[in-house]
Amino acid sequence: QVQLVQSGAEVEKPGASVKVSCKTSGYTFINFGINWVRQAPGQGLEWMGWISTYNGNTNYAQNFQGRVTLTADTPTGAAYMELRSLRSDDTAIYYCARAISAAGPGLPFDYWGQGTLVTVSS
Amino acid sequence: EIVLTQSPGTLSLSPGESATLSCRTSQSVSSSYLAWYQQKPGQAPRLLIYGPSNRATGIPDRFSGSGSGTDFTLTISRVEPDDFAVYYCQHFGGSPPHTFGQGTKLEI
Repeated sequence: QVQLVQSGAEVEKPGASVKVSCKTSGYTFINFGINWVRQAPGQGLEWMGWISTYNGNTNYAQNFQGRVTLTADTPTGAAYMELRSLRSDDTAIYYCARAISAAGPGLPFDYWGQGTLVTVSS
Repeated sequence: EIVLTQSPGTLSLSPGESATLSCRTSQSVSSSYLAWYQQKPGQAPRLLIYGPSNRATGIPDRFSGSGSGTDFTLTISRVEPDDFAVYYCQHFGGSPPHTFGQGTKLEI
């Protein structure tokens, strides 16, 4: 079965960086893009970006341009999200989510990771 | 950027009733690029419906989507106890590629 398993919770200081992993299984990795979505405590969903697992192309939300990097490792079937210059308002649950195909960044998400809580606090 | 506004913020119903959740977009969009998700406390969202009539795997036909232009609706017929959750609409395929509504909480 399709699974996306994310790395554990992180606590970081303001100004630091965090890298969250998303290890996939149960399907052919390069056939489906991976998106990252975050959710601040008690808030809604915010799309951060997409990566093509086929060729590494990326598309980032404007709010995160220059501060986020998405990568994918085809041999291991893992995707990564690195967020830099962390602020307290980056405290959120970060989700990876598989797109329904590899056709591009604008597709809905059919499978999600369990989420990774990132807390930014001094 | 297209803004999605969901209403009501909270919908209180009893099991067996029908739920009608609204998603209004700031510009006209095709129903082909509208999706709905369900999120229960402590869980990741789950895709329910995308496009005009595509239910995701395992989603019962009690869930249906409709609408056009700027007004879209998720209907849940015969609400069951397991349906009480927060529901989000999503516009995809635009610029930016994804935007979400703020959510509607369906409560008992």
